[in-house]
Amino acid sequence: EVQLVESGGGLVQPGGSLRLSCAASGFTFSSYWIHWVRQAPGKGLVWVSRINTDGRSTSYADSVKGRFTISRDNAKNTLYLQMNSLRAEDTAVYYCAAVRAYYYYMDVWGKGTTVTVSS
Amino acid sequence: QSALTQPASVSGSPGQSITISCTGTSSDIGVYNYVSWYQQHPGKAPKLMIYDVTNRPSGVSNRFSGSKSGNTASLTISGLQAEDEADYYCSSYTSSSTRVFGGGTKLTVL
Repeated sequence: EVQLVESGGGLVQPGGSLRLSCAASGFTFSSYWIHWVRQAPGKGLVWVSRINTDGRSTSYADSVKGRFTISRDNAKNTLYLQMNSLRAEDTAVYYCAAVRAYYYYMDVWGKGTTVTVSS
Repeated sequence: QSALTQPASVSGSPGQSITISCTGTSSDIGVYNYVSWYQQHPGKAPKLMIYDVTNRPSGVSNRFSGSKSGNTASLTISGLQAEDEADYYCSSYTSSSTRVFGGGTKLTVL
């Protein structure tokens, strides 16, 4: 079964750090670009970051640039999102989503992991 | 990158057709045919419904169709069914090699 499973969410204080993971199975992970998309409570989807197949190219939304770092370990079929200097506005469900190389749509999504930033 | 513009809500009766618009700019929808649409039921992950403006993934009903004109893409759902009630999001590839989503449209089946 093709799937992505996020983990690592939780409650963290403002200014704190958290590392999310996204484990892939059922498809050739190293052939996919992977994105992080988040959704604040009651709000819409917002693109956060993406990484290419070999991990050498990354991009970030302005709202997280300099605070979040995306990375991947193709040997472990796992994607990561290191989140530092967290703010209340980072509170959201974080989804990882896969895009096959040379394609442009997210056809595999995880179920999400919840991050809550609060004191 | 500003979010794409979608109507907050649309509604229709069973059997009717509805169209959801998604307006972007010349840096995203206007220049790339890489618009996709996602359906999201409450508490669930998004599901791909349309990709590359007009294409349907395997398993998606042919009641769903997509189109584009200039900076605006559209999703049409014909023969509305109760299970179509959900939030719908458009997304586009951008000139900075990132993605942008619309604000989402809540579809109510009356």
